[in-house]
Amino acid sequence: DVKVTQSSRYLVKRTGEKVFLECVQDMDHENMFWYRQDPGLGLRLIYFSYDVKMKEKGDIPEGYSVSREKKERFSLILESASTNQTSMYLCASLNPGDPPYEQYFGPGTRLTVT
Amino acid sequence: QQQVKQSPQSLIVQKGGISIINCAYENTAFDYFPWYQQFPGKGPALLIAIRPDVSEKKEGRFTISFNKSAKQFSLHIMDSQPGDSATYFCAADFSNSGYALNFGKGTSLLVTP
Repeated sequence: DVKVTQSSRYLVKRTGEKVFLECVQDMDHENMFWYRQDPGLGLRLIYFSYDVKMKEKGDIPEGYSVSREKKERFSLILESASTNQTSMYLCASLNPGDPPYEQYFGPGTRLTVT
Repeated sequence: QQQVKQSPQSLIVQKGGISIINCAYENTAFDYFPWYQQFPGKGPALLIAIRPDVSEKKEGRFTISFNKSAKQFSLHIMDSQPGDSATYFCAADFSNSGYALNFGKGTSLLVTP
C-alpha cells in the first residue's frame, strides 16, 4: 500500500512564525503536491513537483514556498505565517506513468495561526 | 477563477436511492476527469476516473457520465448506502501537466437509513 505521511496532524503557530510542513511518500512516486482545503472552497493547489529540486506554482502560491531535496520528501514552507493561512493542508503523491493516475493523499495537517 | 464547477454543495438521499453530483468545466483541453471521495479525518481517495473518449464508465454502484459537447460530467451512485456518506470532489486536468488536478468545491453527501 502506498503511504503518504505528514509530520503533524495538528499544528498551532503564531503570526509571523516560519512554519514547515513535511510530507514523505514511500512508493518512489515522481510527482508530489501540496493543497489546502477550506470549507466551501474545495482543494486548491499550492505547489507541485515533478522531480527532485523541480517545482511548479499552483493556483495559490502566494505566501508559500516548497522544497524537494529528496524524491520521497516534499516540504511546504510558510515564510511568515498569517491568520489567513489557517487551513487544512494536504500532501499527495502520484506516479505519472501508472494509470489510473491516482493521487495518494496524506491524512492532512490542520494548521491554526493565531 | 475556478475551472471546475460542482453542484450541489450538499445532498441528502435516502438509503437505496440514486445520488447524482454534477460538474462542468470550461477548458476543452482537459483530458482526464476523476472523482475523489473523502471521509471525515481522512485524505481524499480516487473513486473513479474517465477520459473524454468514452461517454460512460461504471465501477460497481458508481458511474461517471460524460458529455463532451456540453462540457459536463456527473457521478451517479446507485443504491446509495449510509457508508457512502462522504464528501465527493470532481476534478479535471491535462495529462501532460503532471496531473496537478483542478478540483471542484465538493459535495457533502448524506445517505439516511
